[in-house]
Amino acid sequence: GNSVTQMEGPVTLSEEAFLTINCTYTATGYPSLFWYVQYPGEGLQLLLKATKADDKGSNKGFEATYRKETTSFHLEKGSVQVSDSAVYFCALSDRGFGNEKLTFGTGTRLTIIP
Amino acid sequence: NAGVTQTPKFQVLKTGQSMTLQCAQDMNHEYMSWYRQDPGMGLRLIHYSVGAGITDQGEVPNGYNVSRSTTEDFPLRLLSAAPSQTSVYFCASSIRGPVEQFFGPGTRLTVL
Repeated sequence: GNSVTQMEGPVTLSEEAFLTINCTYTATGYPSLFWYVQYPGEGLQLLLKATKADDKGSNKGFEATYRKETTSFHLEKGSVQVSDSAVYFCALSDRGFGNEKLTFGTGTRLTIIP
Repeated sequence: NAGVTQTPKFQVLKTGQSMTLQCAQDMNHEYMSWYRQDPGMGLRLIHYSVGAGITDQGEVPNGYNVSRSTTEDFPLRLLSAAPSQTSVYFCASSIRGPVEQFFGPGTRLTVL
C-alpha cells in the first residue's frame, strides 16, 4: 500500500535559519504530492503541491521538488520566521481503481525561536 | 463564506455515551470527509462522502456512523464512546475528491 515517511520532530530553529523537512513516499502508481501546514489551534491548509516528477511546488517561500528517482518530496525554506512555527504534513494522493485517496505522514512540529 | 465549521470545539464523554460531531460547509462542495488525528499517526480517514445521499468508509470506520442528507452538512456519530476514540477530529470538504480540501478547526474529544 501507499505510505509517507517524514522526519521525526520536533524541529527547533532560530529565525532566518535554513529549513529542510524530509519526506519520502511509497506508492504503486503515479501519485501527486502535497505539503500541508497546521498552525496552532487551526485545521490543515494546503501549502504546496506537485503533480508529476520534477515538478516544483512553491508557496510563501517554501519549496519542494517531486523526485521520482529518490521517491522524495523534501520541504525547504531559505529563511524561516517565527510565524512559520506549525506542524507540517507531507501527503500523497494516488488514484487507485478510480478511488482517489490521500495518505498523510505523521507530521513534523517546527518551532522557530527569535 | 464561513468555510468549514465544526462544533463543538471540545468535548468530554464517558465510556459508552453517544454523541454527534457537527460539520457544515457553505462552499457547495460535493466531497466531505472526517479524519482523526492522533500523536505519531498523522491523519486517518474515518468516513467520506462524494455527494448528498452517498457515504463510504475510510481507513478507520469502526465505532462511527455518518450520513449526508444535504450538501452542506456531514455529521459524525459516535455510537458508544470508547477511550480509544480520544482524538482530534477534523472535517474537510472540497469541490471534488480528497485533494485540496478545506479543513475545519477541529474538535478535541476526550473519552474517560
